Amino acid sequence: AQSVTQPDIHITVSEGASLELRCNYSYGATPYLFWYVQSPGQGLQLLLKYFSGDTLVQGIKGFEAEFKRSQSSFNLRKPSVHWSDAAEYFCALNDYKLSFGAGTTVTVRA
Amino acid sequence: EAGVTQFPSHSVIEKGQTVTLRCDPISGHDNLYWYRRVMGKEIKFLLHFVKESKQDESGMPNNRFLAERTGGTYSTLKVQPAELEDSGVYFCASSQGAPGNEQFFGPGTRLTVL
Repeated sequence: AQSVTQPDIHITVSEGASLELRCNYSYGATPYLFWYVQSPGQGLQLLLKYFSGDTLVQGIKGFEAEFKRSQSSFNLRKPSVHWSDAAEYFCALNDYKLSFGAGTTVTVRA
Repeated sequence: EAGVTQFPSHSVIEKGQTVTLRCDPISGHDNLYWYRRVMGKEIKFLLHFVKESKQDESGMPNNRFLAERTGGTYSTLKVQPAELEDSGVYFCASSQGAPGNEQFFGPGTRLTVL
């Protein structure tokens, strides 16, 4: 069965510092992977997606993610965090229906 | 272009009452999905429509939940009778083309059952 694991429930980062959110998956074939973000009071917004090809994927808001098949990982990164990046982030595997990780809440301190 | 909309944004009901949630997908999107996030848990798939047909309802918790998509446009999710454990945020999403394509999410309906 497919599954997605986000090991970090909560991360606090200083504004301007780098951010990395971890995501591991279990799936029997090449996965379609997504990162979504949910800001307070908002719906889920797609940050980026991986279907195939280049393993380094660029997304919106300055985010990128790297697909590593050998590690079954799809970690999300941002070089310099802004206060507006405070939100909850979800990694998801798309097998026509989405399987989500538990989410990682990011707090940005000044 | 309007995004996915959901109504109501919040609903507070008593145990045993009935509640109906509505989702309006993006125009032209044949695929419509319902998901739910119970407090402290992952977002879980409930069911998937292609146009007006249920393709997969394997995530529906029990027969107190009924989803419909008449005419292949908007969808409703009825909970009857509601129980305490039904509290959570119900998300709707839609996509076009192949089911694996990007799903666009609505803001969710927060349901509280007292």
